[in-house]
Amino acid sequence: AQKITQTQPGMFVQEKEAVTLDCTYDTSDQSYGLFWYKQPSSGEMIFLIYQGSYDEQNATEGRYSLNFQKARKSANLVISASQLGDSAMYFCAMRELDGFKTIFGAGTRLFVKA
Amino acid sequence: GAVVSQHPSRVICKSGTSVKIECRSLDFQATTMFWYRQFPKQSLMLMATSNEGSKATYEQGVEKDKFLINHASLTLSTLTVTSAHPEDSSFYICSAEPDRGKETQYFGPGTRLLVL
Repeated sequence: AQKITQTQPGMFVQEKEAVTLDCTYDTSDQSYGLFWYKQPSSGEMIFLIYQGSYDEQNATEGRYSLNFQKARKSANLVISASQLGDSAMYFCAMRELDGFKTIFGAGTRLFVKA
Repeated sequence: GAVVSQHPSRVICKSGTSVKIECRSLDFQATTMFWYRQFPKQSLMLMATSNEGSKATYEQGVEKDKFLINHASLTLSTLTVTSAHPEDSSFYICSAEPDRGKETQYFGPGTRLLVL
């Protein structure tokens, strides 16, 4: 069965510094996709970044990058140059590509300090 | 990116009434839409997968007679919480995917339901 683990309930980071949010996953499938979403206090889910299991390069989107280590089944999110507006909940998610379902981790709440 | 709307954004109702939540994909057609439920400080839990023109597929433990899903068109899915009770109070989020196999699904802004 699929499983997503986010072990950091909360993280603090100083403004302008980088932060890494951890995510490990478990699946028996060879084809899957990994996602990170941001959820501010308003509740909307904002898509940040995607990594396919067959992608050889780590995904990057602006200040977001995904540190994908397939052998370790980890997909950590790195946010560079943190901004106050980055304070939010962050969810790691996985979807097996021959299925419909996406499962989400428990989330990490990020606090950016001025 | 693709836009998904939900209506209403907030609803307060009395126990025993039914509440309908609409999810619309505004600039794309969505064969598949998903309904999630999120309790405070918890993650999203998939309730059901809604396919246009066919019956929804419910996750284990989700009562299909309690949470009625209708996906009548490629741009609209509705979730009706029937005979709502206080324990149904939650944040309900829908999502839609433009094409099968696309990288991500796009989420609506969510609906906060409070049942008194």
